[in-house]
Parts: sequence; structure tokens; C-alpha cells
Amino acid sequence: GAVVSQHPSRVICKSGTSVKIECRSLDFQATTMFWYRQFPKQSLMLMATSNEGSKATYEQGVEKDKFLINHASLTLSTLTVTSAHPEDSSFYICSASSVYEQYFGPGTRLTVT
Amino acid sequence: TQLLEQSPQFLSIQEGENLTVYCNSSSVFSSLQWYRQEPGEGPVLLVTVVTGGEVKKLKRLTFQFGDARKDSSLHITAAQPGDTGLYLCAGDSGGSNYKLTFGKGTLLTVNP
Repeated sequence: GAVVSQHPSRVICKSGTSVKIECRSLDFQATTMFWYRQFPKQSLMLMATSNEGSKATYEQGVEKDKFLINHASLTLSTLTVTSAHPEDSSFYICSASSVYEQYFGPGTRLTVT
Repeated sequence: TQLLEQSPQFLSIQEGENLTVYCNSSSVFSSLQWYRQEPGEGPVLLVTVVTGGEVKKLKRLTFQFGDARKDSSLHITAAQPGDTGLYLCAGDSGGSNYKLTFGKGTLLTVNP
């Protein structure tokens, strides 16, 4: 299957700082990438859909000014959590579309202290 | 808004038992995918079903897509501790973005 990487895998930051998470499709070009948030033992919650070269589409209730998404190329999308607070601590996962399937990255564990 | 009802939400069984996980919707999906996720990792795609009535087998796992493409099931035969994990079904409504609708997941624990 297609490979998607995420970096970093874990990050700890102080409240008020910003954190950038990268998502890369390693062996295919992804016109569309998705960003999810997941709480322990729960399913994935879609945050936004990221299309290369255009603005991301955010799901209802997701603050676009807080979760900045940039999809600068067909293999890279970034999620920046701005002015992070402890309630932003979570597991963030990206995925990339290939035909009609989505392939997921390994996730990033964000802890805001 | 399309919804996928996945059940059961939690399942704890003994090694060697069989189990079935269900995903149901009132909406039609162009395809449906099943994922397995282990703690601290991303979901891994197990299978994609596309055709109504389709049955796919992956070793001890059998996946079925309903004739009307509104429901799907995952059956595991002779479960093993290595099958432990979060199983997720996700449906694609066919939009150009391939946006998926996820079920709530089934947390499976197989005890030795």
C-alpha cells in the first residue's frame, strides 16, 4: 500500500506556542489530504480537507485560525496548531487520497503543558 | 449528513472465538473501507469493498458489502490476541475529494 509519513511523531510544547506537523505522501502524489483528530479509544474526527494549491475546507466547529493548514505540493501538507492550549492535546492523524482509498500517517501525539 | 453506525463499540472475547462487527447506514456508499488501528499508530487499511454483495477474505477475516451498498460486516474466525485493536469502517460517498465517513469504531480485545 501507499506510504504516508508524519513528523514529528511526538511533540511537547508550552501553552501559547505554535506547533507545526508535517504530512508527506512518500510514493504517490496526493491531490487531497485530510487531517483528523482522535481522542483515546475513539474514532477519528475529521478536522479539514486539504487540497493542493487551494484553501483548506474545515469541518463545522473547527477553528480555521487556530488550525492552519497548508498544502503546498502534491506530497506535503502541514497543520500548524497556533497558540496551543492544554485542551489541544490530542493525537493528530493525516491521510492522503489515492484513487478511492485513503492511506493514513502514523499520527502525531501533541501534548501541551 | 451521512452516518455510519458501527457495532458493537466494545468487544472482549477469548482466543479462538468468532466475532462479527457491523456497520450500517441509511445512505449508499460508492465504496467502504475497513481499517485496523493499534494504540499510538495510524489506521492501517485492511480492505476496500466496492460492489454490492461483494465478499472479500483476508486470512481469517471476511468482509461483506451489502447488496444495497448501505451496510458492511467484518467477521473474524478463531480470533487471536494479535487481532486486538480498534476496527474502523469508513464509507466513501463518491465525492471528488474521497472524503470518508467513519463509524465510531469497535475496540476488540482478544484474551489469551
